[in-house]
Amino acid sequence: SQTIHQWPATLVQPVGSPLSLECTVEGTSNPNLYWYRQAAGRGLQLLFYSVGIGQISSEVPQNLSASRPQDRQFILSSKKLLLSDSGFYLCAWRRKVYGPRALYGYTFGSGTRLTVV
Amino acid sequence: AQTVTQSQPEMSVQEAETVTLSCTYDTSENNYYLFWYKQPPSRQMILVIRQEAYKQQNATENRFSVNFQKAAKSFSLKISDSQLGDTAMYFCAFDTDKLIFGTGTRLQVFP
Repeated sequence: SQTIHQWPATLVQPVGSPLSLECTVEGTSNPNLYWYRQAAGRGLQLLFYSVGIGQISSEVPQNLSASRPQDRQFILSSKKLLLSDSGFYLCAWRRKVYGPRALYGYTFGSGTRLTVV
Repeated sequence: AQTVTQSQPEMSVQEAETVTLSCTYDTSENNYYLFWYKQPPSRQMILVIRQEAYKQQNATENRFSVNFQKAAKSFSLKISDSQLGDTAMYFCAFDTDKLIFGTGTRLQVFP
């Protein structure tokens, strides 16, 4: 079965410290991968997406970066966190080959709640 | 650029009643998907319903149905026989090769 793992679930980091959030997908190959951020009480903002190893598209210029070192691994990083980086981060994947239309869609991880202090 | 607008920040409905959440979008694409996602307090994203743009028939999933008006770029969600467990944030989303979300509607179901 296809699953998505995201960790850690909760993180408290001081301003200026580095960040690394990891997302891995199991049970599929060559997925499209996505990082979203949700500020408190607000919608989901697309940060990065990747259609393959080493291929990263940035949607919003900011303090964050993303990497895809392996087919099913997607990493969100920062060299120096800002207070404004606080939020709820969600990883998601989507099949590249659509297959049965009834199965088409995105699957989300359980999220990381990041608080920068 | 594609945009999704949810004009109702908050809605409330009494248990067993019907409520409709609004969503409009802007795109020049002709082939795309539209989704409604539910986010309960746990913040897990739960797929409620999906609609393919090429299908004229409105999608239905049990108590949830949509009114898809492609020419008007409108995609509203109707929840019938509302239940307390429907209390959550609801997000409309537009998809081609990436999912773009609206700002959400917070729905409260009262007993």
